[in-house]
Amino acid sequence: QVQLVESGGGLVKPGESLKLSCAASGFDFSDYYMGWIRQAPGKGLEWVSYISSRHSTIFYEESVRGRFTISRDNTKSSVFLQMNDLRGDDTAVYFCARVSSLRGVALAGGGLDTWGHGTSVLVSS
Amino acid sequence: SYELTQPPSVSVSPGQTAIITCSGDDLGNKYTSWYQQKSGQSPMLVIYQDDKRPSGIPDRFGGSNSGNTATLTISGTQPLDEADYYCEVWDSSIAVFGGGTKLTVL
Repeated sequence: QVQLVESGGGLVKPGESLKLSCAASGFDFSDYYMGWIRQAPGKGLEWVSYISSRHSTIFYEESVRGRFTISRDNTKSSVFLQMNDLRGDDTAVYFCARVSSLRGVALAGGGLDTWGHGTSVLVSS
Repeated sequence: SYELTQPPSVSVSPGQTAIITCSGDDLGNKYTSWYQQKSGQSPMLVIYQDDKRPSGIPDRFGGSNSGNTATLTISGTQPLDEADYYCEVWDSSIAVFGGGTKLTVL
């Protein structure tokens, strides 16, 4: 059974850091691009970051560039999001998602075919 | 940065056809995906590569993409189709969602 499970969310103060983790199971993790998508309370979905299967390609949404770092450990089937200098507008549910891929290459237009349940991040003083 | 525009809301009667649009510059030359998100749940992929359905998605869900507009069509809409729907474009240089459309079935 293909599954993604996020963890690491919580309540932090502005300027603090948090590291999110996403544990994958049920598929060959090293063959897939992985991404983080967030959803602020009552708002829509927003791409945050993605990483290619072999770490060679990384994308960051403009508002998190320089503050967030995505990484992955293929030996542990996990992807991470290190979030530094957190701000109030980073408050959201953060979803981990699998990018539809084929043998390590993202499938153009293949979509995000598997999502985790999300982990909540609240930035407040 | 690239932007996708969706209508905030669409209403449809049960059994009728719901049409949700997504507009973006030259969108027809990019692949569009569509996601359904029911209240309190994670999003779920319902259309990829403009018009393909993942396994398990009913054939009443369809998609098309041409010019500057991609369209999600739900034929014979059922009350359980009530949800938020998001379009998305992803390629080597773009990763963006539309603002979402709330589909009400009444």
